[in-house]
Amino acid sequence: DTEVTQTPKHLVMGMTNKKSLKCEQHMGHRAMYWYKQKAKKPPELMFVYSYEKLSINESVPSRFSPECPNSSLLNLHLHALQPEDSALYLCASSQDPQRSNTGELFFGEGSRLTVL
Amino acid sequence: KQEVTQIPAALSVPEGENLVLNCSFTDSAIYNLQWFRQDPGKGLTSLLLIQSSQREQTSGRLNASLDKSSGRSTLYIAASQPGDSATYLCAVISGEWGGSEKLVFGKGTKLTVNP
Repeated sequence: DTEVTQTPKHLVMGMTNKKSLKCEQHMGHRAMYWYKQKAKKPPELMFVYSYEKLSINESVPSRFSPECPNSSLLNLHLHALQPEDSALYLCASSQDPQRSNTGELFFGEGSRLTVL
Repeated sequence: KQEVTQIPAALSVPEGENLVLNCSFTDSAIYNLQWFRQDPGKGLTSLLLIQSSQREQTSGRLNASLDKSSGRSTLYIAASQPGDSATYLCAVISGEWGGSEKLVFGKGTKLTVNP
């Protein structure tokens, strides 16, 4: 199983709403990532969790709040977003290279977010 | 700062052709290079991973090579098919896994294979 599952696939929200994106993997990977991708652009890193601890925050605005409840789950809580935050949000995971010898990244299908 | 360039930005070929996609990077201190495929509006599918100690990897009709010293990687697709039409992204990974790890993507090559 090399699957990263993201829900919901599509989300429309107003600027005052609070919503969450969810990501799940059962490959035993110990790093999980959130990326943001705008149309016709490559993905941009937002956050990295390593062994359930936040290790990288790429200066993301506080209206995006990540959470890693356990090694299989990663959430992205959204509050007071702006229309320019509309994008495809991708989750990825990878195994510690000391365990897997590769560190290969696996991505989910993404959550398409539209902020009205 | 690592910069990744992919050439060409777009490529249109007839079915059956063999083709080469190019990726170059400015900092050779990498530990992995990974090629992905992305269909419109979809996530990224991992195609091939080349670790820094390796020179090439093969999977079916795909072959990827890596020359760290010159900062180049190529993705070779043999006998292209219409189903290969997608955007191909090269990603260079450096730093320390899970800590200072940095993954930098190129802007991609949009491939169209015509029947």
